Amino acid sequence: EDQVTQSPEALRLQEGESSSLNCSYTVSGLRGLFWYRQDPGKGPEFLFTLYSAGEEKEKERLKATLTKKESFLHITAPKPEDSATYLCAVQAGFGGAQKLVFGQGTRLTINP
Amino acid sequence: GAGVSQSPSNKVTEKGKDVELRCDPISGHTALYWYRQRLGQGLEFLIYFQGNSAPDKSGLPSDRFSAERTGESVSTLTIQRTQQEDSAVYLCASSRSGGAVQTQYFGPGTRLLVL
Repeated sequence: EDQVTQSPEALRLQEGESSSLNCSYTVSGLRGLFWYRQDPGKGPEFLFTLYSAGEEKEKERLKATLTKKESFLHITAPKPEDSATYLCAVQAGFGGAQKLVFGQGTRLTINP
Repeated sequence: GAGVSQSPSNKVTEKGKDVELRCDPISGHTALYWYRQRLGQGLEFLIYFQGNSAPDKSGLPSDRFSAERTGESVSTLTIQRTQQEDSAVYLCASSRSGGAVQTQYFGPGTRLLVL
């Protein structure tokens, strides 16, 4: 069974304090790994898709990386507006399976 | 352009009543997905529609749950004889197609509370 585990569950940082969020996965045939941001009371907002080990993608203060077992979301010099829950999800398997399997998320708080 | 829309935003119902949730996908997106997010938990896949193909219902938790989609447009998720454990946020997503790896774009969700 495909599994996604995110750590830590919650993280508090001071503005400007860089850190990383972890997403570990166990899947049969990774096809894509997704990062989403979710603000309270809203639906997930797409950030990145990574397809193969060694791939990296960046957007503003965020950088996502992928290995064969895990992905990291690096946050550089975060601002209070980066506070949100960050969700990791995988699409795996063959035969056209399209569902995403999500981790439980990391709740990030950036204090000014 | 317009994103995925869902209605109602919030729904409070009594145990045992039926509820119907609606999703309007992004125009031109042929694939549509329903997920459930219980408080403090990750999203759980419920059902997937792609064009006129048979839907993937593998995530529906019981036969009280059903969903329909007409063509490549609106979808409705129906929960019959609601139970308190059905309380959750129900999220709809759509993608351009069901082939290869497609980004799923989510709506704002319907918050369901069963009393």
